[in-house]
Order: sequence, then C-alpha cells, then structure tokens
Amino acid sequence: DTAVSQTPKYLVTQMGNDKSIKCEQNLGHDTMYWYKQDSKKFLKIMFSYNNKELIINETVPNRFSPKSPDKAHLNLHINSLELGDSAVYFCASSQEGLVYEQYFGPGTRLTVT
Amino acid sequence: GENVEQHPSTLSVQEGDSAVIKCTYSDSASNYFPWYKQELGKRPQLIIDIRSNVGEKKDQRIAVTLNKTAKHFSLHITETQPEDSAVYFCAARGQAAGNKLTFGGGTRVLVKP
Repeated sequence: DTAVSQTPKYLVTQMGNDKSIKCEQNLGHDTMYWYKQDSKKFLKIMFSYNNKELIINETVPNRFSPKSPDKAHLNLHINSLELGDSAVYFCASSQEGLVYEQYFGPGTRLTVT
Repeated sequence: GENVEQHPSTLSVQEGDSAVIKCTYSDSASNYFPWYKQELGKRPQLIIDIRSNVGEKKDQRIAVTLNKTAKHFSLHITETQPEDSAVYFCAARGQAAGNKLTFGGGTRVLVKP
C-alpha cells in the first residue's frame, strides 16, 4: 500500500540512450510532479501535472518529456541521455486545494556513463 | 519567481542541544512553508509546515516560526537525538499555478552522541 511509487529504483545507462521512469500514486491526488535532485542535493521542480494537464514546465531541455495517461500516473521519458542528467529523480503528488503537502516517491537514481 | 535561501548548509550539534535552521524567501505573496527531512538514500518527508496566517507552530521537539514582514522562517529542533541527523529542506509555495514549491539548498545536520 505504498502511497507514491516509482520504477525503476536504479537506472544505469550509456550516453545517447533513451530511458523512461514511471510513477504511480494511490492517494487519489490530482497533482503530480517531477523533481531532480543533483549531487549537491538541490531539489528542483521540473514538471507538474494537474488532472493530466501540464501546468508547470520549468526550464528543462526538450529531451525530457513527461506524460500523464491518467491522474494517478506520471511518467518521464528522457531522450539522448547526457552525463549531466545523472541525478536522483523524485516523483511527488499532492491534492490541490486546502491541503498543500506533497508526498514524495522513493526516487530513481539515474547514472549516465 | 520565488527564491529561497537556507542557512547554514551544515550544522553539527551535540546530542541534547538545540538546532536552528533559517530560511528567507523573496515572494511576499507566498502562503505555505513546509520543512522536509531527508535521510541518506531516502525520500524527503514532511516534518512540519506553517501557513502565512500563523506565526508559530510546534510539534513535540520541533517548531517553526514565521516572520512575514521580514520574509523569513526558521526550524527549531530541541533535545536533538542521533536520529535527527539528516538533510533538512525548507520550501515556500509561491503564487504560481500548480502548488509550486521552491526549495532551499538544504542543511546537513549531524547530531554527535
């Protein structure tokens, strides 16, 4: 009964490859996010979806493409991976309205070699 | 957009002492200020939060204070224990759509037994 889950937990791949990370939440929330945490631990938002609609799109390269098939799922596809993409990617969810708390997934550690 | 500064970046305290982490924010319209704790290799987890209509909130050994005029808020941990060792992040929710949180740079707290 994990609230926010991500797969895979670890991802090691070579430069130039394309990879996807999947996220699912069973909290009934209507908003989902992708964050990137770099080696210095900075947490930065990349995207946010509300009811399958993209509402936040930070300055992220076009190689990153989020997709939300329904409000419980938010996937992240990355094309032409680069060394600088190595980081931990966290998915999170929240319910828009009076409760603002964001629940984070366990993270996906992406290593590009 | 919102900008959140967090200090100090590292904090070492003796077990039983208090720890204080301070954050400043730039958007005077920000209305929600959560604090997250991230243990090594784990996801960020909410430990306490405060809204802009409240000046102080306490939960057992942790407390948060907010000064809207000065645009700063602080986390106080009393009677620190070794399990308090972690990275702590402050965040502020600005007025942008989508419940966007802007995080501070994090404070690595080490509680020495």
